[in-house]
Amino acid sequence: GENVEQHPSTLSVQEGDSAVIKCTYSDSASNYFPWYKQELGKRPQLIIDIRSNVGEKKDQRIAVTLNKTAKHFSLHITETQPEDSAVYFCAARKYIPGGATNKLIFGTGTLLAVQP
Amino acid sequence: EAGVVQSPRYKIIEKKQPVAFWCNPISGHNTLYWYRQNLGQGPELLIRYENEEAVDDSQLPKDRFSAERLKGVDSTLKIQPAELGDSAVYLCASSLTRTSTSTDTQYFGPGTRLTVL
Repeated sequence: GENVEQHPSTLSVQEGDSAVIKCTYSDSASNYFPWYKQELGKRPQLIIDIRSNVGEKKDQRIAVTLNKTAKHFSLHITETQPEDSAVYFCAARKYIPGGATNKLIFGTGTLLAVQP
Repeated sequence: EAGVVQSPRYKIIEKKQPVAFWCNPISGHNTLYWYRQNLGQGPELLIRYENEEAVDDSQLPKDRFSAERLKGVDSTLKIQPAELGDSAVYLCASSLTRTSTSTDTQYFGPGTRLTVL
C-alpha cells in the first residue's frame, strides 16, 4: 500500500525566514496531495493541495511543488510569522472513480516553530 | 457554514469500559471518515462511509470497534471494551464526493481525546 514519509520532524526558523517541509510517497499512481496545518489541540485544516497534473501551486506565502518522477512534494512557507507555528501534515491519495480505497495516507507530521 | 461537530471533546474511562463518539458532518456532505490520531503521528483512517454504506473499513479493529451511520448523516464510533492502547484522538471528517473529481476536500472535526486508564 501507499506509504508517505515526511521530513523533518521538527523545524525551527526565525520570523521572516522561509520554511520547507518535504514528503515522499511510494505509490506512483497517487494523484492528489493535500497539506494540513494542525495547531495544538485543534483540528487539522487544509491549507493547500495539488493534483498530479500540476507541478506547482501558490497561495500567498504558501506554495507546494510536486515532482512526480521522484515521487516527492514539498511545502514552502515564505516570510514566516509566529502564527505559522503548528504541526504540518502532508498526505497522498490515489483516486479511482468509484473505488473503495480513496483514502488519504498521512505523513508523520512536522512541528514548525517560528521564533519571533 | 457550520463545520464538523464532534462530541464529547474529552473522555476518560477505565480499561474494559465501553465508549462512544458522535459526529455530525457538514450539511450535504455524503462521505464521512473516522480517523485515529496517536500522539505525534498523522491521522490514520479507521472507516469511510459513502452515505450510509461503509465502503472502506479495512483498518477498523472489528473485534472491539464498531461504527454506524444511520440515514447517511450522523455517525457514531464505539469501542467495547476499551484497552489502554486505544488512548488517542479520534477525528471525524466529511467531504462532498463527486465522481467527476479527484479532489474532494476533507474537513475535520475538533476530535475526541480519549484516555483509557
